[in-house]
Amino acid sequence: EVQLVESGGSVVRPGGSLRLSCVASGFIFDDYGMTWVRQAPGKGLEWVSTINWNGGSTSYADSVKGRFTISRDNAKKSLYLQMNSLRAEDTALYHCATFRIVGPTWRYYFDNWGQGTLVTVSS
Amino acid sequence: QSALTQPASVSGSPGQSITISCTGTSSDVGVYNHVSWYQSHPGNAPKLLIYEATNRPSGVSDRFSGSKSGNTASLTISGLQAEDEAHYYCCSYAGRTTWVFGGGTKVTVL
Repeated sequence: EVQLVESGGSVVRPGGSLRLSCVASGFIFDDYGMTWVRQAPGKGLEWVSTINWNGGSTSYADSVKGRFTISRDNAKKSLYLQMNSLRAEDTALYHCATFRIVGPTWRYYFDNWGQGTLVTVSS
Repeated sequence: QSALTQPASVSGSPGQSITISCTGTSSDVGVYNHVSWYQSHPGNAPKLLIYEATNRPSGVSDRFSGSKSGNTASLTISGLQAEDEAHYYCCSYAGRTTWVFGGGTKVTVL
């Protein structure tokens, strides 16, 4: 059974930092790209960042570019999101999700999701 | 990276069919077939319903179907059931390994 378990969310002051983790099980981690998607309270889903299977390619939403860094450790089957210079508008439930990569071909949809970890940015 | 446009809410009676629209631009929905739909129940992880605009993953009910025309994609739920009450989100690939989601649609079963 595919499982994605996020952790690391907490209450942090504006300007602070936080590192989120997502541990995967039940599938071959190296076969998948990974992404972070967030949902602010009462709002919709927002794509945040994506990384390919080996970390060689990363991308970010404009709203977090320069502040967030995505990374992964395939040996630990883990995905990370380093969040710096946090703002109130970063308050959200952060989900990790998978997308399949088959050779050079990406599947551009997110087929497995975790339940999320809550980040609250407040003074 | 502007959000795709979805109606805030759609409702229907059990057994009816409803359709949720998702309007993007010529930079996302209009140029890529990489449109996906997700169902989100409170407290649960989002679930993939439709991928590549019209394809259904194994295990997803055939009551869910997707289509796309121009800059607009649509999700149709046929034979509406109480368990379909949830939020639904569309998502489109937007190029350069970026994605954009819709604002979400709350489906109410009357």
